[in-house]
Amino acid sequence: AQSVAQPEDQVNVAEGNPLTVKCTYSVSGNPYLFWYVQYPNRGLQFLLKYITGDNLVKGSYGFEAEFNKSQTSFHLKKPSALVSDSALYFCAVRAYSSASKIIFGSGTRLSIRP
Amino acid sequence: NAGVTQTPKFQVLKTGQSMTLQCAQDMNHNSMYWYRQDPGMGLRLIYYSASEGTTDKGEVPNGYNVSRLNKREFSLRLESAAPSQTSVYFCASIRLAEYNEQFFGPGTRLTVL
Repeated sequence: AQSVAQPEDQVNVAEGNPLTVKCTYSVSGNPYLFWYVQYPNRGLQFLLKYITGDNLVKGSYGFEAEFNKSQTSFHLKKPSALVSDSALYFCAVRAYSSASKIIFGSGTRLSIRP
Repeated sequence: NAGVTQTPKFQVLKTGQSMTLQCAQDMNHNSMYWYRQDPGMGLRLIYYSASEGTTDKGEVPNGYNVSRLNKREFSLRLESAAPSQTSVYFCASIRLAEYNEQFFGPGTRLTVL
């Protein structure tokens, strides 16, 4: 069965510092991996995805994520945090072999202090 | 393009009442999904429809039914609402290829008293 774990409910970072939001996954076979962001009272917005190829993926708003197959992880990163990055972040996984099922993690609330 | 639209935005039901949440997309997407979002639980998949005419259960299908009315529309029905179904419900759609990202609607906030 597919699963996604986001071990931190909340991450607090000072503006200008680097940030990391962690995600680990479990699927049969190769994964497609996604990060989404949710602002208050809004639906989810796509940030970036890993399909194949380069393990470092770049996405919207200066975010990037690193795929690590041996550790089954897909951590979200940003070199310099902004207050406007404060939001709820979700990791999601889909297996190559699964027709259409996409599973989300429980979410991590990112709080950037000025 | 309106993207993914959901109606209603808010709804309050009494235990035992029924209702249907509507979702439509105008992007010619093949697959559509219903999720519920609860604090600390993230998004949990209720049902999905890989293509017009097909539906499949997700992680938490009990108490719900779905209809893929046509390629554009995917509705979620609560036959007899329970307080445990109080949640925010999101509809999403995706283009044909399985590696594409989902597009989400704005959500429906449902309270069951």
